[in-house]
Amino acid sequence: KNQVEQSPQSLIILEGKNCTLQCNYTVSPFSNLRWYKQDTGRGPVSLTIMTFSENTKSNGRYTATLDADTKQSSLHITASQLSDSASYICVVSALRGGSQGNLIFGKGTKLSVKP
Amino acid sequence: GAGVSQSPSNKVTEKGKDVELRCDPISGHTALYWYRQSLGQGLEFLIYFQGNSAPDKSGLPSDRFSAERTGGSVSTLTIQRTQQEDSAVYLCASSPRVPSGGGAKNIQYFGAGTRLSVL
Repeated sequence: KNQVEQSPQSLIILEGKNCTLQCNYTVSPFSNLRWYKQDTGRGPVSLTIMTFSENTKSNGRYTATLDADTKQSSLHITASQLSDSASYICVVSALRGGSQGNLIFGKGTKLSVKP
Repeated sequence: GAGVSQSPSNKVTEKGKDVELRCDPISGHTALYWYRQSLGQGLEFLIYFQGNSAPDKSGLPSDRFSAERTGGSVSTLTIQRTQQEDSAVYLCASSPRVPSGGGAKNIQYFGAGTRLSVL
């Protein structure tokens, strides 16, 4: 069964600190993996998208890694800011299959950055 | 338009009433998705459209839920005889086509959602 699991479920850190969010998946055949940021009351916004051959990808203070062998991804946030407080959603795209438009969503990690 | 637009942004209704939620995707995007997000939960897939057809309706929770898309553009999600458990944020997303490979063209762009409250 195609699944995406994220950890931790929630996380509280102090402003300026770094943090790492985890995503494990069992989607096959794998096409790509995305990380989205969802602010409270808003729709998700894409941060990164990584294909099989990409091990790491950065978007400002956000760096995503992908290990296709172990089927794990992480999102590292450097020098956190209050505006980083949001839910971070890992989404894996299947190469084919038709179900759910080929996208499988994790439940997200809720990050709170405190001053 | 510049982004995905959903209306209304908030909807309060009484149990048993019908509601219609509207989604205007980004112009030119052929794929359109509906999701439901209950408080503190992840996104729950409902249905997606490729053009005007819906290849996958597997996420619709019951026959009270239906959706249509006309002209390859605007989509309407209808919930009949609403129940309290239908209360959630309903999110719409569009993408240039159904994601089946890598690349920026396959990114989903989400609207801000419609917050439905059934009293």
